[in-house]
Amino acid sequence: GAVVSQHPSWVICKSGTSVKIECRSLDFQATTMFWYRQFPKQSLMLMATSNEGSKATYEQGVEKDKFLINHASLTLSTLTVTSAHPEDSSFYICSAPAATFNYGYTFGSGTRLTVV
Amino acid sequence: AQTVTQSQPEMSVQEAETVTLSCTYDTSESDYYLFWYKQPPSRQMILVIRQEAYKQQNATENRFSVNFQKAAKSFSLKISDSQLGDAAMYFCAYDFGTASKLTFGTGTRLQVTL
Repeated sequence: GAVVSQHPSWVICKSGTSVKIECRSLDFQATTMFWYRQFPKQSLMLMATSNEGSKATYEQGVEKDKFLINHASLTLSTLTVTSAHPEDSSFYICSAPAATFNYGYTFGSGTRLTVV
Repeated sequence: AQTVTQSQPEMSVQEAETVTLSCTYDTSESDYYLFWYKQPPSRQMILVIRQEAYKQQNATENRFSVNFQKAAKSFSLKISDSQLGDAAMYFCAYDFGTASKLTFGTGTRLQVTL
């Protein structure tokens, strides 16, 4: 139980275009979704926290207008990288508190974004 | 602010042997949760073990156990009878409760050799 499905698993886009990443909670309601960014051989850095029906909370230094987060339903949160540039290339992971919390947090499988 | 420190960037262990990964943290909270997550080459984050700070008993999950020293703010992970499939990045993480957010350490890359 407590599965988060993340899509796409990888995407290549041209510089200046936008890319949307989706995270769906399959068997529980995710009122909160955390979005992380991970550079090669580095740890996960929290970018923002989304809550269903309200505005996302961004960590210091994260551009709100570049990384648009929407959490319109209890099972879907999206991250849109707008006007992507090569420096946005990274691995993006979503995570939600597991339903019973006995499992801690459950993570999506991640999205590898490459901007060319 | 809470911080999590993993002082071992890389560790190596022979198959069937035991290895301990270190983690220290800093917090002013008295009640919180600590986690060890494994990230294999697939990059899927997998929960290894979880410890509640108010529980004095160290958590165990099969071959995985922790040594939780609350006063010292230390939370090490012991892997017994290491297997090739244990090779991965291991992240120590902290959460002060009620599913707030996870603060991760920098990770330890574990190699398992034959």
